[in-house]
Amino acid sequence: KQEVTQIPAALSVPEGENLVLNCSFTDSAIYNLQWFRQDPGKGLTSLLLIQSSQREQTSGRLNASLDKSSGRSTLYIAASQPGDSATYLCAADDSGGSNYKLTFGKGTLLTVNP
Amino acid sequence: KAGVTQTPRYLIKTRGQQVTLSCSPISGHRSVSWYQQTPGQGLQFLFEYFSETQRNKGNFPGRFSGRQFSNSRSEMNVSTLELGDSALYLCASSLARLAGIYNEQFFGPGTRLTVL
Repeated sequence: KQEVTQIPAALSVPEGENLVLNCSFTDSAIYNLQWFRQDPGKGLTSLLLIQSSQREQTSGRLNASLDKSSGRSTLYIAASQPGDSATYLCAADDSGGSNYKLTFGKGTLLTVNP
Repeated sequence: KAGVTQTPRYLIKTRGQQVTLSCSPISGHRSVSWYQQTPGQGLQFLFEYFSETQRNKGNFPGRFSGRQFSNSRSEMNVSTLELGDSALYLCASSLARLAGIYNEQFFGPGTRLTVL
């Protein structure tokens, strides 16, 4: 059974700092790894998706890496801003590729202080 | 283009009752997935429907069921509600998921269910 763990559970940083969020998964037979953002009382917004054959993906100030062999992914946020404050979730897609089934971590609550 | 719509947004029920939640996917999307989010367990996969067929199911008791209609709208039903069913229920829609083809999932705002 796939288990996804995110460390740290919460993080508070001053504005402008670069930061790294960590995600680990137990079963390396994943189809892809996704990072989401969730704002209070809202649904999920997809940030980055890394296919199992890829090592990293970048979008603006965000960079996500994937190391299947070690069962780890990291989300790097450069020059953090107060608007980045949210819960960040990683999810492993272990559906086998023909349907949807994501296993989520419990998230990292990020607070960026002005 | 309208996003994923979930109704109702908030719901209060008592133990033993049953509840039906609705999800309207983005126009043209044929896949709908359901997730339960609680503070203790986080986000957990419930089931996924594609073209009115359940393709995958998570580890939840039989009290949790769902269906999808020909217009891709989906409902999930929880019977004999328990206090532990209090959660945010999220649905996600996508064009399709076929072997070798991945289309992004878009999540709705969720339905907040409180069981008293």
